[in-house]
Amino acid sequence: QVHLQESGPGLVKPSETLSLTCSVSGDSLSGECWNWIRQSPGKGLEWIGYIYDSGDTNYNPSLRSRVTMSIDMSKNQFSLRLTSVTAADTAVYYCARLMIPFGGGFDGFDMWGQGTVVTVSA
Amino acid sequence: DNQLTQSPSFLSASVGDRVTITCRASQGITNFLAWYQQKPGKAPKLLIYGASTLQSGVPSRFSGSGSGTEFTLTISGLQPEDFATYYCQQINDYPFTFGPGTKVDIK
Repeated sequence: QVHLQESGPGLVKPSETLSLTCSVSGDSLSGECWNWIRQSPGKGLEWIGYIYDSGDTNYNPSLRSRVTMSIDMSKNQFSLRLTSVTAADTAVYYCARLMIPFGGGFDGFDMWGQGTVVTVSA
Repeated sequence: DNQLTQSPSFLSASVGDRVTITCRASQGITNFLAWYQQKPGKAPKLLIYGASTLQSGVPSRFSGSGSGTEFTLTISGLQPEDFATYYCQQINDYPFTFGPGTKVDIK
């Protein structure tokens, strides 16, 4: 059974960098599309971006200048860095797997972590 | 961005009711639409993808339809465990976007 688990600091100071890791068990990172999504009362669900095992990434343009994703195949983990955070980045952050059908395109996020609350405050 | 709207925002219903939620996209997305159910304190759960394909393990009382810009999620025979918030999501255009949600509450 596939299990995703987010980890990282729950409190980040304004202007600093938010760093989260998603540990995946029960599945290899190979051949899959791994995503970060966040949810806040003000903005709802927001897709942050994805990374493949090749290291190829695609980021939401609204966050692209501040986001970096990386992947560590040896640890079966992928990570998110978000720089220069403000209170607007306070949210529940989820990691999730995006299904890729044989015919191309995408199907939906079928596996999610439980989510981790990140608060930006001094 | 391809904006998604949902109606209604809030729905009050009884066990056994048939419930329909509508999702509209600002630009056509063929059938690249998914539906999720979320309960408080939990991650969203995938119900339907490809606008109408039921995810494995999801009860058959859930169904989806539509293409282009208008989609519906129907729950035929609402059960107590179905009271939750439902989101649509498009995965046709970057950035992927979600609808604002429809909360289904007990009447």
